Parts: sequence; structure tokens; C-alpha cells
Amino acid sequence: QQPVQSPQAVILREGEDAVINCSSSKALYSVHWYRQKHGEAPVFLMILLKGGEQKGHEKISASFNEKKQQSSLYLTASQLSYSGTYFCGTDKPGSSNTGKLIFGQGTTLQVKP
Amino acid sequence: DTGVSQDPRHKITKRGQNVTFRCDPISEHNRLYWYRQTLGQGPEFLTYFQNEAQLEKSRLLSDRFSAERPKGSFSTLEIQRTEQGDSAMYLCASSSGTGASPLHFGNGTRLTVT
Repeated sequence: QQPVQSPQAVILREGEDAVINCSSSKALYSVHWYRQKHGEAPVFLMILLKGGEQKGHEKISASFNEKKQQSSLYLTASQLSYSGTYFCGTDKPGSSNTGKLIFGQGTTLQVKP
Repeated sequence: DTGVSQDPRHKITKRGQNVTFRCDPISEHNRLYWYRQTLGQGPEFLTYFQNEAQLEKSRLLSDRFSAERPKGSFSTLEIQRTEQGDSAMYLCASSSGTGASPLHFGNGTRLTVT
């Protein structure tokens, strides 16, 4: 039931792009994306809802394929501040809009100068 | 918006002792959540409140765990008879609860059971 994230880890140079994927075996209502830096709280990036609605930061780009039960987070022109662990969190019909999320295992992103 | 605050930041306890953590959510948020996170894993849902009502508790959660939100503001999470397997980061989050709302996490309480 836990969503699967890929890749597990990414190393980039500043200015390079990356894509982080999140897949679920269950039908989804929404996908949330958070970034967590070491020793800090997870920080909200984006929510993608069934039907196409998105909420989040303007500089963050993501997609949600309802049929494939997948979401992708696009990080373009990466900056050093993008480093951290990215988590997707999913909820299901019946638990929609509750905030009761099942998180993936995380994708660690390291951006080097 | 002062953010979600949690206290204490760190707690070291001996196995068998009881511990209590506190969470103060963002003041206008009516939903409050407790999650647990172990090293290298994503947060795991424990329980959540809408105002003072506890709406759901994870089936994975032992009866040794109890949470309260007595006046719909701050919340406490108590673990009785702690075990080494309880060692983790305990995260509190709050949300406005309107539609699909972002979770605002606190910095967590790191529990170490020796």
C-alpha cells in the first residue's frame, strides 16, 4: 500500500534537472509532495488532485496520472537549496482530504556546486 | 503564523518508563496529526484530530499510545511502558482541514529508549 518512489537517490550539479517518480498500486485521490532537510521538518511543496487541480509553489512542477496511479515531481535548473529528501504522500478514495497520508520511502537529492 | 511547535525536541528514557510529548499547532488550524518517522523512512500516520475529536487511530498503533487534544488547541501524545522499538522521531502536523490542505509539520520530538 505504501507508494514506491524512484529513484532512491540522485546526485546533480547545479543547474541540472531531475525527475522523481511516485507510484501506487491503489486508486488515488491526491498526491502530496514534501521536502525534508536533515534534522528539519518536512516542508510542503505541492498537492495534486484527481481531476487536475494543483496547489503549491509556482516554481514547482509536477504531474499526476490518475489512470496509471503515478505522480512525478520535476526539478529544473536545480539549486543547492534543493538538496534534501523528497517524499510523496498519497491518500485513497474514502480517506480523501483527511490528511491521513501514506508516505513513500523518500528520494534523496544532493545538488553539488 | 508561528508554525507548529513541539516539545521537547529530544527525549531519552529508559525502557518501561512513560513519556509525554506536546504539540502546539498553527492557531487557526482545526486539524492536528501525529506521525512517526524512523531513520530512512517516510512519516507513518498515527492519529488525527478534528478540533478536540480524535477521528482515527492507526491500527498499527499499540494500546500503549494515547493522544489527546482537550480543548481543540494543543495536543499531547503519551507512550506508556516504552520499548526500544518506540525510538523514533514523532512529528506533529496541522492543517486547515478545508479541502485538500497541506500539512504543516513541526520539527518533531526525537525519542530514544535505552
